[in-house]
Amino acid sequence: QVQLQESGPGLVKPSETLSLTCSVSGGSINSYFWTWIRQPAGKGLEWVGRLYTSGTTNYNPSLEGRVTMSVDTSKNQFSLNLTSVSAADTAVYYCAREMGSSRGLDYWGQGTLVTVSS
Amino acid sequence: DIQMTQSPSSLSASVGDRVTITCRASQSINSYLNWYQQKPGKPPKLLIYAASSLQSGVPSRFSGSGSGTAFTVTISSLQPEDFATYFCQQSYTTPRTFGQGTKVEIK
Repeated sequence: QVQLQESGPGLVKPSETLSLTCSVSGGSINSYFWTWIRQPAGKGLEWVGRLYTSGTTNYNPSLEGRVTMSVDTSKNQFSLNLTSVSAADTAVYYCAREMGSSRGLDYWGQGTLVTVSS
Repeated sequence: DIQMTQSPSSLSASVGDRVTITCRASQSINSYLNWYQQKPGKPPKLLIYAASSLQSGVPSRFSGSGSGTAFTVTISSLQPEDFATYFCQQSYTTPRTFGQGTKVEIK
């Protein structure tokens, strides 16, 4: 059974960089799209971006070039960096797996709350 | 970006009721439409992918239909564990986008 687990600081100061890692267990990280999604408290889901294990990335243009993602296949992990954060970036951040356009997001981490505050 | 609009935003229903939620896309997305169920404090769970394919392990009372710009998910007989929020998501193009959610509450 594939399992995903997010890790990283729960509190980030405004203007600093949010960094999260997703560890994948129970299966290979290769040959899938690995995705970050966020959800502010009481609100809907926002797709942050995804990367393929080849390194190809797609980001949400709404994040205005602040986001980068990377993968470490040797550790079965992938990461999210979001720079110049503000209170608007406070949310639960989920990592998830997408098999492709026709399959949806089939495995999700439990989510990690990141609060942006001084 | 493709805008996804769900209706209704919330509904009240009783156990055993048939419930239908609608999702509309701002442009054609063929059948690249997925449905998720989310309970409080939990991640979303994939129910339906490619508009009408049931994800493994999901009860058969859930079904999906539609193509192009209009889609529905139906729960044929609402069970107590089905009270949750439901989201649609298009996977036709990036950025992927979600509907705003439909909260299914107990009447």
